[in-house]
Amino acid sequence: SQTIHQWPATLVQPVGSPLSLECTVEGTSNPNLYWYRQAAGRGLQLLFYSVGIGQISSEVPQNLSASRPQDRQFILSSKKLLLSDSGFYLCAWSVRQTQYFGPGTRLLVL
Amino acid sequence: KNEVEQSPQNLTAQEGEFITINCSYSVGISALHWLQQHPGGGIVSLFMLSSGKKKHGRLIATINIQEKHSSLHITASHPRDSAVYICAVEGTDKLIFGTGTRLQVFP
Repeated sequence: SQTIHQWPATLVQPVGSPLSLECTVEGTSNPNLYWYRQAAGRGLQLLFYSVGIGQISSEVPQNLSASRPQDRQFILSSKKLLLSDSGFYLCAWSVRQTQYFGPGTRLLVL
Repeated sequence: KNEVEQSPQNLTAQEGEFITINCSYSVGISALHWLQQHPGGGIVSLFMLSSGKKKHGRLIATINIQEKHSSLHITASHPRDSAVYICAVEGTDKLIFGTGTRLQVFP
């Protein structure tokens, strides 16, 4: 069966510090991968999606970046966090139309 | 104006009540998803619809493609149904999300 892992589950970081969130998928090959952010009191927003290794599409301009070094690994990064980067970050994968979400990482930037 | 609008934003109900959450969208779609987000943040996919109606247990989802509208119904609601319900429409490889409906069911 397919599973999706995200870590860490919770993260508290100071403003200006770097960020690396990792997402890995098991049990499937060549999935579409997605990073979403949910800010407090707001809906989910698509940040990045990837249809293959090294292929990243960015949906919104921001100080975040994403990389897909392996087929089932998707990394969300930042060189310098802003206060506005606080939120709940969700990784998801899909092979056909249904999307499957990871458990999420709650990020608090202080 | 958001491409995906949900109503109501907040909903409270007594256990046993019939609940309806509505979703309207303004873009062309290949499918519509209903998701459930629990207080801890985890998200579960409830339904994916491209036409008609689907039923799973006490949950029913309908979609009217011509009217660009979908509804999620919960029959015989229960406190464990308390969650945020999110409508999302699918274009090409991407989902566009509504802001969610927060449901609280009281015993």
